[in-house]
Amino acid sequence: QKEVEQNSGPLSVPEGAIASLNCTYSDRGSQSFFWYRQYSGKSPELIMFIYSNGDKEDGRFTAQLNKASQYVSLLIRDSQPSDSATYLCAVNMVWWHSGGGADGLTFGKGTHLIIQP
Amino acid sequence: DTGVSQNPRHKITKRGQNVTFRCDPISEHNRLYWYRQTLGQGPEFLTYFQNEAQLEKSRLLSDRFSAERPKGSFSTLEIQRTEQGDSAMYLCASSRDGPYEQYFGPGTRLTVT
Repeated sequence: QKEVEQNSGPLSVPEGAIASLNCTYSDRGSQSFFWYRQYSGKSPELIMFIYSNGDKEDGRFTAQLNKASQYVSLLIRDSQPSDSATYLCAVNMVWWHSGGGADGLTFGKGTHLIIQP
Repeated sequence: DTGVSQNPRHKITKRGQNVTFRCDPISEHNRLYWYRQTLGQGPEFLTYFQNEAQLEKSRLLSDRFSAERPKGSFSTLEIQRTEQGDSAMYLCASSRDGPYEQYFGPGTRLTVT
């Protein structure tokens, strides 16, 4: 049974500061990790994905993965009020068979982030 | 890319009625996924297709739910004999082979009265 755990928050961060969001997962076979941002009443929007241990940076966002600790995080630098949203961590386990394949994503419940102006 | 589209965006139905939702994936994506999301929860995986083949179904997908992707392009999700517990946002996502990033459509919000 795959589980993804996130602190539901709310996490309150001053504008311009670094927001740090954390996620742990139970399935050691998980190989793909995603962060989605979801505004109230909207669908999830992909903001980062990471497959290898270490850091991956894209603009103000950095995803960090530690497979040994089964831990993935998202850092948002220079936080803006528009970053206020729920951030969903998602994982899947990719397996290879004829033609390749991937099952559905398992999501955490999300962390509600509030950036204070 | 025009993005993933879903129709209708909202659906209100009475308990016991059947409903059908449509998803059009990003054109070059051969994988299509259905999820359900209720308030305060993350999306829950329901089923997915690779081209026209339905490869996996969650145990959340009861016998009242059926999904099709007849020509490997758009997909439909039908719920028969709707129940109030079916009220949720139904999300469709698509991806292509390789890194497996999934991109979501705007969702269909179902309300069962």
